[in-house]
Amino acid sequence: AQTVTQSQPEMSVQEAETVTLSCTYDTSESDYYLFWYKQPPSRQMILVIRQEAYKQQNATENRFSVNFQKAAKSFSLKISDSQLGDAAMYFCAYRSARAGNQFYFGTGTSLTVIP
Amino acid sequence: NAGVTQTPKFRILKIGQSMTLQCTQDMNHNYMYWYRQDPGMGLKLIYYSVGAGITDKGEVPNGYNVSRSTTEDFPLRLELAAPSQTSVYFCASSLPGRHTEAFFGQGTRLTVV
Repeated sequence: AQTVTQSQPEMSVQEAETVTLSCTYDTSESDYYLFWYKQPPSRQMILVIRQEAYKQQNATENRFSVNFQKAAKSFSLKISDSQLGDAAMYFCAYRSARAGNQFYFGTGTSLTVIP
Repeated sequence: NAGVTQTPKFRILKIGQSMTLQCTQDMNHNYMYWYRQDPGMGLKLIYYSVGAGITDKGEVPNGYNVSRSTTEDFPLRLELAAPSQTSVYFCASSLPGRHTEAFFGQGTRLTVV
């Protein structure tokens, strides 16, 4: 089975600064998608950004961007100009191309934004 | 748009009791999933379904059952609740294909005492 590893249980960043959250994964598949989800205290899971494994160009969504290194199986999330509303738990997820298209989630990184 | 709706949001069960967590989606998604979230453990897949009448086990299915009689509904049944089932449960749905995201309900916090 695929595994997703987030090695940083907690991170903190000063407001307006930049922070990078790490994610690595293990798979034998060549075609897959990767996602970052945000979970604020409300518990709602919110999609932040997605990346196709066949695209070399890193995905960006406003202040959020990824650094996708396919050979290294690394998928980090960079948050620029951090805002108080970015404080949340962030989950990295891998979506398999196999039957069921299952999602595999990491253990999460809790981000604190310091005013 | 309602999206994915889970009920109840909170529940306290006594050991040995049973209950059903309800999940319904109005996006006509074929795929539906049940996850449990425990502190420091991320989300673990309990069961999933790729369409009405089709269900399959995920990583942690023991102690749970599901059914999928319609595209919209995917209830999760807990039989003989145990303290180890204390968790936050999420239902999610998606379209087929690896490129589509999962849409989540707001979760059910279940405590077994």
